[in-house]
Amino acid sequence: EIVLTQSPGTLSLSPGERATLSCRASQNVRISYLAWYQQKLGQAPRLLIHGASSRATGIPDRFSGSGSGTDFTLTISRLEPEDFAVYYCQQYGTLPLTFGGGTKVEIE
Amino acid sequence: QVQLQESGPGLVKPSQTLSLTCTVSGGSVSSGNYYWSWIRQPAGKGLEWIGRMHISGSTNYYPSLENRVTLSVDTSKNQFSLKLSSVTAADTAVYYCAREVANGYNYWNYWGQGTLVTVSS
Repeated sequence: EIVLTQSPGTLSLSPGERATLSCRASQNVRISYLAWYQQKLGQAPRLLIHGASSRATGIPDRFSGSGSGTDFTLTISRLEPEDFAVYYCQQYGTLPLTFGGGTKVEIE
Repeated sequence: QVQLQESGPGLVKPSQTLSLTCTVSGGSVSSGNYYWSWIRQPAGKGLEWIGRMHISGSTNYYPSLENRVTLSVDTSKNQFSLKLSSVTAADTAVYYCAREVANGYNYWNYWGQGTLVTVSS
């Protein structure tokens, strides 16, 4: 099983600031098959990024993903009020499908 | 637009079997283009993939749950289902059903709203 470790656990920032979230895998993620999701309280996760760097349909371009191998990053260039949420990475290159533990982006 | 809706008992007694159904609208569970998954989330914790199934009968499960999970599909009702046996308090969670983007692309762009299942006597 590929274990995904997300850091930091919590990120305290202000609107307009840049957020950088990390996801590290315990072994290579095949073909950069890594996705990012946003989850707000009481809601289902929402797909943001797939293939490590491809934005899903309708996702604003302030969200970007990068990385390969075992190290991946989600960047939010300028935080909007609606971006304060929990973010999860997920690898889909190898079964079982696994998630990271999440990073909470909170208002400072 | 594809929509998924979970349903089932919100309270299950320890040692019993948790049974949930996901009703699909705007798409067909009979489509060979997708796997259909169950994912859960204990309160205040992260996401855990439970397993997935394809109309062909192909299934995959999270290893630690494999011996307790059964997935099935009812094409006549356009539903797929989860059964989790011998539940304990550790199985208390919000359970989501979800559809993968496409075969070979095992991430999810369609999710149900989730249903809370509590295991308690």
